[in-house]
Amino acid sequence: GENVEQHPSTLSVQEGDSAVIKCTYSDSASNYFPWYKQELGKGPQLIIDIRSNVGEKKDQRIAVTLNKTAKHFSLHITETQPEDSAVYFCAASRSNQGGKLIFGQGTELSVKP
Amino acid sequence: DAGITQSPRHKVTETGTPVTLRCHQTENHRYMYWYRQDPGHGLRLIHYSYGVKDTDKGEVSDGYSVSRSKTEDFLLTLESATSSQTSVYFCAISAKINNEQFFGPGTRLTVL
Repeated sequence: GENVEQHPSTLSVQEGDSAVIKCTYSDSASNYFPWYKQELGKGPQLIIDIRSNVGEKKDQRIAVTLNKTAKHFSLHITETQPEDSAVYFCAASRSNQGGKLIFGQGTELSVKP
Repeated sequence: DAGITQSPRHKVTETGTPVTLRCHQTENHRYMYWYRQDPGHGLRLIHYSYGVKDTDKGEVSDGYSVSRSKTEDFLLTLESATSSQTSVYFCAISAKINNEQFFGPGTRLTVL
């Protein structure tokens, strides 16, 4: 079955710097790759997603890139702010399996003011 | 916020007792999911539903059963709770496959 590996597990940056989180997946048939942000005591919330027919997607300070050949995708956060501090999860799924998401292990991002 | 609630929010129970967690949505979304979250494992899918009375297994379904008799409710049952089922359980809903999943606030379950 699908396996998603996420790195790093923790990331500390200074406010204003960029942060990059990387994920690799094993199932070449996966075609949907969302990123979730989870704040303490809350459920995860979608921040951006990308589909396999697109190589890059941006939304203000957040961008995601997808390399289907290498089976990896990355989250880029620019001009980080203290409120970006949270746990971030990548995930992968394929449309013929009911939308079942396979999550990475998570990255705890800390943005120091 | 998506209209999704989970009950109870916290529960402490003893090994061997049955436990039922409830997920309720007001969005009329077709798809509903149960995940568990444990340190070092991220979120893992337990079961999911693609319609009333239509359910399927996820990655970690052993020891769990689900039921969906109405669009708005998805129940997760631990027939005989074990300490390894101590976890935070999240319900999620989605209108379509491979679309945003909206997560509930979670239920923290402790099995002593």
